[in-house]
Amino acid sequence: AQSVTQLDSQVPVFEEAPVELRCNYSSSVSVYLFWYVQYPNQGLQLLLKYLSGSTLVKGINGFEAEFNKSQTSFHLRKPSVHISDTAEYFCAVSGTYKYIFGTGTRLKVLA
Amino acid sequence: GAVVSQHPSWVICKSGTSVKIECRSLDFQATTMFWYRQFPKQSLMLMATSNEGSKATYEQGVEKDKFLINHASLTLSTLTVTSAHPEDSSFYICSARDLSGVASFYNEQFFGPGTRLTVL
Repeated sequence: AQSVTQLDSQVPVFEEAPVELRCNYSSSVSVYLFWYVQYPNQGLQLLLKYLSGSTLVKGINGFEAEFNKSQTSFHLRKPSVHISDTAEYFCAVSGTYKYIFGTGTRLKVLA
Repeated sequence: GAVVSQHPSWVICKSGTSVKIECRSLDFQATTMFWYRQFPKQSLMLMATSNEGSKATYEQGVEKDKFLINHASLTLSTLTVTSAHPEDSSFYICSARDLSGVASFYNEQFFGPGTRLTVL
């Protein structure tokens, strides 16, 4: 079975500052890892995904994430955030045919 | 490629009525579709997995008689909320799995934009 933990329910950050959203997972099998963004009343938009290979994954909108197998983490980072990055971010893991989602982190970018 | 649509995008209905939500894969064939439910400020919870031409598999705690799922073709799955009540108000998201080559890996899912259901 797989599980995902997003420890931070909310992360406030000032505009143009860097941000890291944390995601830890557990699994007894190899997994694929994802980060999605969800804007109010909208569906999920895929930011990036880790399937294999390089542990540093670059995604859309300037986001990147690093897969750390020893720490079972897949933290999302952005060096400089914009007001428009304010949204809910979900980490997800897939080891079988199912996707397991974390509880989400609300990123609020302050002017 | 790999676009999934949902219809309607939002629906308001009276308590006791039934509501049907459609999920379509627009440019690929989806042998498997998934239905998720998301309460306000919460995560997505898988409700059921539907395979084309067979009965859906429901997650524990999901009432199959309440949430009827039909996957009659390789591009369409429907979720019918029967005798809806205010507690069924939620955001319903479907996803589809493509086995024809668009996906990066075997079980990759592509998500629809969601349907907001409000039951009065």
